[in-house]
Amino acid sequence: NAGVTQTPKFQVLKTGQSMTLQCAQDMNHEYMSWYRQDPGMGLRLIHYSVGAGITDQGEVPNGYNVSRSTTEDFPLRLLSAAPSQTSVYFCASSDPRGLNTEAFFGQGTRLTVV
Amino acid sequence: AQSVSQHNHHVILSEAASLELGCNYSYGGTVNLFWYVQYPGQHLQLLLKYFSGDPLVKGIKGFEAEFIKSKFSFNLRKPSVQWSDTAEYFCAVTAPGTYKYIFGTGTRLKVLA
Repeated sequence: NAGVTQTPKFQVLKTGQSMTLQCAQDMNHEYMSWYRQDPGMGLRLIHYSVGAGITDQGEVPNGYNVSRSTTEDFPLRLLSAAPSQTSVYFCASSDPRGLNTEAFFGQGTRLTVV
Repeated sequence: AQSVSQHNHHVILSEAASLELGCNYSYGGTVNLFWYVQYPGQHLQLLLKYFSGDPLVKGIKGFEAEFIKSKFSFNLRKPSVQWSDTAEYFCAVTAPGTYKYIFGTGTRLKVLA
């Protein structure tokens, strides 16, 4: 059982470039989300999805797009990278059924924008 | 709005010292509470969780946390830390059945051998 898989693990972009961070889960979880982690700021929610075809903005959505065409995949797109997007990105998934909503996290993507 | 406060941003301890990391949340309803640990260069891993029942929760690696509803607190404790406990610790809260985790800013723990 692979859990939550993120690719790539490391990426360096030039300002203005675009890229997609991939996230896949094999636990049939309805909820998926993207966070960015910055020193002293904890994890901040970028975008989330409550099921295939449904996405919404989190706390810091500007500069990022998402889509959810399948239950398994939730890619995060940077349309025009900026140095302020240098961060570590984590994808998470959880199962909303019942009351136990433990989140499972991917290994993270360390992104540097120069 | 919901928020989670972790008052200790950096903690340095010697091996065998006792640990207590504070976590307070602001949310009036029923909550699920979590502590996650992030070892250097790794992803977040669940340390322990509270959903209901006994307010004293035991997790992995000898960690425990106590939920005190009247104080909106969920402090993490360990009687005797080890060098391998060096990591960043995050407290998080969510309402039951929801997906949105609210994380604290984290506490960096360094244990000196």
